[in-house]
Amino acid sequence: QKEVEQNSGPLSVPEGAIASLNCTYSDRGSQSFFWYRQYSGKSPELIMSIYSNGDKEDGRFTAQLNKASQYVSLLIRDSQPSDSATYLCAVSGGGADGLTFGKGTHLIIQP
Amino acid sequence: NAGVMQNPRHLVRRRGQEARLRCSPMKGHSHVYWYRQLPEEGLKFMVYLQKENIIDESGMPKERFSAEFPKEGPSILRIQQVVRGDSAAYFCASSPSWDSRVQYFGAGTRLSVL
Repeated sequence: QKEVEQNSGPLSVPEGAIASLNCTYSDRGSQSFFWYRQYSGKSPELIMSIYSNGDKEDGRFTAQLNKASQYVSLLIRDSQPSDSATYLCAVSGGGADGLTFGKGTHLIIQP
Repeated sequence: NAGVMQNPRHLVRRRGQEARLRCSPMKGHSHVYWYRQLPEEGLKFMVYLQKENIIDESGMPKERFSAEFPKEGPSILRIQQVVRGDSAAYFCASSPSWDSRVQYFGAGTRLSVL
């Protein structure tokens, strides 16, 4: 059974600092990796996708993938109070597969 | 360019009634996925459909749940004889044919079973 593990938090980070979110997955055949942000009572919003080992940067966000260690991370630089949300790590086998989600990490950015 | 449209946003049903949840994918998207999010739980994949075809229903409960995506009209997730444990947020996502890896979510339908 495919599993995605995240620390549920809450993770508290001061405004302006770097927030680091981590995720591990069980299925070595996984090919596609995503980070979604979900505000309370809202739907998941795609933040980043990453498909190959290494780093991918988009604005204040950097996703990191290490397939050998089955580890995905998300760094948020210059954290803002508006970044306070639950961050969901999602994994798929590639192609048009259903996503397997972690339970999410609750991030709190302290002003 | 409208996003993934789900309706109704909120649905209240009594035990034993039927619930019908609708999803229209983004324009140009041919893949539709349904997920369920129980209170304090993560999102769970239920079913993946293309027009007139169920591709993967490995996450669907064996009884009372069904899904379709007809040639015309929205995708429908149908729950028969609802029970209190069906109370959850049901999200639809769609992906484009040119990059079926990426899924975009609708606002969801919050189902409450009394």
